[in-house]
Amino acid sequence: DIVLTQSPDSLAVSLGERATITCKSSQTVLYSSNNKNYLAWYQQRPGQPPKLLIYWASIRESGVPDRFSGSGSRTYFTLTISSLQAEDVAVYFCQQYYTTPPTFGGGTKVEIK
Amino acid sequence: QLQLQESGPGLVKPSETLSLICSLSGGSIISSTYYWDWIRQPPGKGPEWIASVYYSGSTYYNPSLKSRVTIFIDTSNNQFSLKLTSVTAADTAVYYCARRSQGARIFDPWGQGILVTVSS
Repeated sequence: DIVLTQSPDSLAVSLGERATITCKSSQTVLYSSNNKNYLAWYQQRPGQPPKLLIYWASIRESGVPDRFSGSGSRTYFTLTISSLQAEDVAVYFCQQYYTTPPTFGGGTKVEIK
Repeated sequence: QLQLQESGPGLVKPSETLSLICSLSGGSIISSTYYWDWIRQPPGKGPEWIASVYYSGSTYYNPSLKSRVTIFIDTSNNQFSLKLTSVTAADTAVYYCARRSQGARIFDPWGQGILVTVSS
């Protein structure tokens, strides 16, 4: 199975400041035939199910604010929140869908400083 | 807008079988574009994919759970179900059902989830 390691486990950021989360994969999730990275990001607010934010590593899901952005390739990916808002307090997970079984990272908790 | 809702017992005794149902509303389970999946999330941990079913009845399982899991689809009632046998405390988790795309194999939407506790 592909192991996804997220860091940090948690971070506290002031309102309006940038938050950056990383996700490292134990093997590449870049499919060479279509040049796509099979990686997604989810947001999980307290008491809620995960919500899809980004797929193909950098494509925002419809309705997701543009302060959320994803980047990276092969084995190293980042999720950036450019200007943290109060409603962004949540746990964020990365997920690979390159191989079966699909696997998730352990999560990064984002709080307000 | 498609919604999914999990149902089943919230408490299961060790060694018994966990049974859950996912009911769809606002859309049909008969779709050539999507799979229907179960995912679980132990307290304080990341999610773990359990199994997937296609409208045709084709099934796919996480090898780590395959010997204990059955997923099946009921197209007449717009539902799909999960059975997990011989449960232990390690199976305590929030269980979610979700839709998964064929192309970008991402999970969206998810049900609200149901907490299942394994305890005597």
